[in-house]
Amino acid sequence: DAKTTQPNSMESNEEEPVHLPCNHSTISGTDYIHWYRQLPSQGPEYVIHGLTSNVNNRMASLAIAEDRKSSTLILHRATLRDAAVYYCIQTTSGTYKYIFGTGTRLKVLA
Amino acid sequence: EPEVTQTPSHQVTQMGQEVILRCVPISNHLYFYWYRQILGQKVEFLVSFYNNEISEKSEIFDDQFSVERPDGSNFTLKIRSTKLEDSAMYFCASSASPAQETQYFGPGTRLLVL
Repeated sequence: DAKTTQPNSMESNEEEPVHLPCNHSTISGTDYIHWYRQLPSQGPEYVIHGLTSNVNNRMASLAIAEDRKSSTLILHRATLRDAAVYYCIQTTSGTYKYIFGTGTRLKVLA
Repeated sequence: EPEVTQTPSHQVTQMGQEVILRCVPISNHLYFYWYRQILGQKVEFLVSFYNNEISEKSEIFDDQFSVERPDGSNFTLKIRSTKLEDSAMYFCASSASPAQETQYFGPGTRLLVL
């Protein structure tokens, strides 16, 4: 079973920021948090990942709580192309697999 | 930007037939993976492969499945005798190092077993 929990769905208006939450209460010191998104009929697309500090890249920002038991993916200005299922994955040292949950389906309203 | 490619994009086969799904991972990556996603369901891990050996596999990856890196660029998934329930999207992924490193996924092969 997935080690993370996310809301099933969220909505956002176009051009507004979106904050997608994720809980990972069982995270250990060496586990990373990876975020992917999946558009319909496509493969999961890497968005961002982090360990302890907040991270920024051209797609998004990742804010990790101080206790590391939760994180938030921030899309600064949602566009219609950001409508997808967003997955938060806790990756564990010593294993090779990603365990996907059901993710958050983001709907962006024009 | 380097990417994982997969062929074919779609495959239709009869139950009991063998299929081979092909993947070309990112060229400097050493770890390779197969996942599948049945329509409307979660993405599920099948197998990981490193140094010409299976590193980890799931319960789904039974004796009907096998993986191979036949040359320096391709990574294949073979299903020996397909069943109706094998119908799914199959995604290949690769990474430079194991799970802590980012896995990059291909676009998938949609397999339909009739």
